[in-house]
Amino acid sequence: QVQLVQSGAEVKKPGASVKVSCKASGYTFTNYYLHWVRQAPGQGLEWMGIINPSGGSTRYAQKFQGRVTMSTVYMELTSLRTEDTAVYYCASSWTVDSAMGIWGQGTTVIVSS
Amino acid sequence: DIQMTQSPSSLSASVGDRVTITCRANQTISTNLNWYQQKPGKAPKLLIYSVSNLQSGVPSRFSGSGSGTDFTLTISSLQPEDFATYYCHQSYSSFHTFGQGTKLEIK
Repeated sequence: QVQLVQSGAEVKKPGASVKVSCKASGYTFTNYYLHWVRQAPGQGLEWMGIINPSGGSTRYAQKFQGRVTMSTVYMELTSLRTEDTAVYYCASSWTVDSAMGIWGQGTTVIVSS
Repeated sequence: DIQMTQSPSSLSASVGDRVTITCRANQTISTNLNWYQQKPGKAPKLLIYSVSNLQSGVPSRFSGSGSGTDFTLTISSLQPEDFATYYCHQSYSSFHTFGQGTKLEIK
């Protein structure tokens, strides 16, 4: 069964960092691009960036430049703010410009003092 | 970044109704337009890719059309399980973006 499995919920204080993992099973991981998308409570979907697991190249949304790092197995967001409270999803696509066909179950990150 | 604007933001409809949701890009995005369905507490699910291609397993009552900057998602006959939030997504530019979502509610 093709799936992406993410790590569990996190609670962090403002200024801290969080690392969310995403593990693929049922397919050759290096054949697909991996995206990260987040969703704040009651809000829409926000694309954060993409990594090519084959070569490791990344592209980040300007909003997260300097605060986000994506590897083939995790996404790290630093200097957390309360507005980073959200569900974070990993999702895969065939190519850099195709749809995201497989999604992880989501990881809730709460940032609170 | 390319801005994606969906309309309406919310919609009330009845089982059996035909529903159309519109997505407009502020510049041309070729055919790199995709649609997702999301139910509360769940991850988004891909419905349609590249404007009009139905993802495997998605019922044929869902269809997509459009080109350039204007796109539509149509549900031909609403079923109870279709009440959810729908998002368009452009994968044309180096930086992907989503529409703000359309919440489809039961009338």
